Amino acid sequence: DTGVSQDPRHKITKRGQNVTFRCDPISEHNRLYWYRQTLGQGPEFLTYFQNEAQLEKSRLLSDRFSAERPKGSFSTLEIQRTEQGDSAMYLCASSLAYQPQHFGDGTRLSIL
Amino acid sequence: ELKVEQNPLFLSMQEGKNYTIYCNYSTTSDRLYWYRQDPGKSLESLFVLLSNGAVKQEGRLMASLDTKARLSTLHITAAVHDLSATYFCAVDSGTYKYIFGTGTRLKVLA
Repeated sequence: DTGVSQDPRHKITKRGQNVTFRCDPISEHNRLYWYRQTLGQGPEFLTYFQNEAQLEKSRLLSDRFSAERPKGSFSTLEIQRTEQGDSAMYLCASSLAYQPQHFGDGTRLSIL
Repeated sequence: ELKVEQNPLFLSMQEGKNYTIYCNYSTTSDRLYWYRQDPGKSLESLFVLLSNGAVKQEGRLMASLDTKARLSTLHITAAVHDLSATYFCAVDSGTYKYIFGTGTRLKVLA
């Protein structure tokens, strides 16, 4: 069990640029989640994958956000045309059914 | 839509004292999770509560779930400085979506 790995740890970009984050879950976990967390708040659900299928997506997620999990292994989260409000910590978590989620260390996104 | 509220939002307590953190949620759910987050770190799982009346204990922390009241509590016994952190409850909405509370920031004073 090597834990959930996220890359990069920090990303600084100019407004309007596209960014992509990667998450490598714990290998035997079929469930994968993406969250966004801002200072002083709890994690906000973005999307959920069961194996390679994206089964749930937050209504708060604009069309600029897209996520994939090809082959049910690692996942990527892409944000197009970044805006100031996208600045946050992006967390990935994985789990087995009804078990607690194991979180990665997150990718901190800063928009200049 | 499921809403999860925690109180208090901030808690400053003396070492050795007892206190309870409350987590209320707005719609039916049978699964509730507690997590701890240290400053600048990610979330660490503390407890999984999977049925009405479930009680779990680990060290100085004890969590319980009352699904009829839509309430979970996290009780701290004889607090020590190492328990200083932010504590989150998270509720399974039943549609693969987990809703987190806003967190309780706990500071234990020596």
